[in-house]
Formats: sequence, structure tokens, C-alpha cells
Amino acid sequence: SQQGEEDPQALSIQEGENATMNCSYKTSINNLQWYRQNSGRGLVHLILIRSNEREKHSGRLRVTLDTSKKSSSLLITASRAADTASYFCATDLNTNAGKSTFGDGTTLTVKP
Amino acid sequence: DVKVTQSSRYLVKRTGEKVFLECVQDMDHENMFWYRQDPGLGLRLIYFSYDVKMKEKGDIPEGYSVSREKKERFSLILESASTNQTSMYLCASRPRGTSGANVLTFGAGSRLTVL
Repeated sequence: SQQGEEDPQALSIQEGENATMNCSYKTSINNLQWYRQNSGRGLVHLILIRSNEREKHSGRLRVTLDTSKKSSSLLITASRAADTASYFCATDLNTNAGKSTFGDGTTLTVKP
Repeated sequence: DVKVTQSSRYLVKRTGEKVFLECVQDMDHENMFWYRQDPGLGLRLIYFSYDVKMKEKGDIPEGYSVSREKKERFSLILESASTNQTSMYLCASRPRGTSGANVLTFGAGSRLTVL
């Protein structure tokens, strides 16, 4: 089964509202990353948070990490129609294998 | 602008054909990966490579093989395509190490349909 699981699977909001997506994982991690995917395209890295960090910001993005609950959240503030995409969390485990494990993603629709 | 380039955006093949999906990166990254993406299943790792001529099986390697003859190129091979291999295939690369800053750079994807 996937290491990461996003919640909700789909989210629909109005432009200007905030969007929150959650990710849960099962084993200890080295870091957690969030990626964005526009329809039919590859994934683009958004933000990385290390296991010893609790919160990180990048522009309108805010990511939190709770290692005791094995969960992370991605908050997009003041959403825009251009934020419509799928969002994935990916975890890097405490090994040197160099591979990331992805969740199933949250599909965000922002209505103008 | 650094990039990962997948040679084909769309392919249509017949059952039993041999299929090559090519991926080239210009970032001198050691690690390269092939994922497949299916609705409701997210991204699943097929194979990865951490050096030239090195390869490791991912979570779903059955029916696939890979080749890494040069550092910049990682090829995914379907020896005998089947309809259940119809999917979006994503190539990615990253530099070696676990510094925490080594994120994946993805190609645009190759959508394969096997008839």
C-alpha cells in the first residue's frame, strides 16, 4: 500500500478561499515533499519539509508536519483559478535508497 | 532551464509489441526513476537507477525492464506490451544524497495506450 495517503480525494472551492489538504504516512521519514500536477502533465515540486521541522512557508503555501501523528498538511491561501491541479505528498524514508513514495493525490478545483 | 525530457508524449501500440520509453536529463543527476500513474492508484515506482548500468526494482517491476547506459539517459522497456500497461509513465531524476534538498524533477509524461 502507499506510504502516503492524501485527504480529501477531491476539493472544490471558490476563488479567494483557502484550501487545506492532508497527508498521512506510515513509517519514519527523512523528509516530506508536496508536488503539484496540472492535468496531463508531469509533477512540479512545491515545498519540502524536513523531519525536524514543524512548519514551512513559501508564498501562499504553508506546510505543517506532525511526526508524532505521521501527518502533514498543505494550506493554499487566497486561492486562484490557476491553483486548480492535483496535489501529491511524497515521503523519503530514513534510508539512502533515494526514492520517494507518493500518495494518491488530492484534486483541487478553484472556481472563478 | 534544466529539464527532464521524455521523448514521446503520446504513443499507441498493439498488444505484444516491444515499446521503448526514453528519458533524458541535463542536470547531471545520479538518480533516475520511472513511475506509472493510474487513476485512484497514484504514482507507483517501476524501476530506479542510482548510477550508470545500475538498476533497482521498484514496487511494480513485472513486465518492464530498464537500461541506463549513459548517466543522462534512462530507458523503460516493455518487452511485450499488454493492455494493462496502458497508463501515464513519468520519468524523474534527482541528485544523489539525503540532504533533504534533493527533490525530484519530472518529465512531462508519456501517455501509452496499448490496443
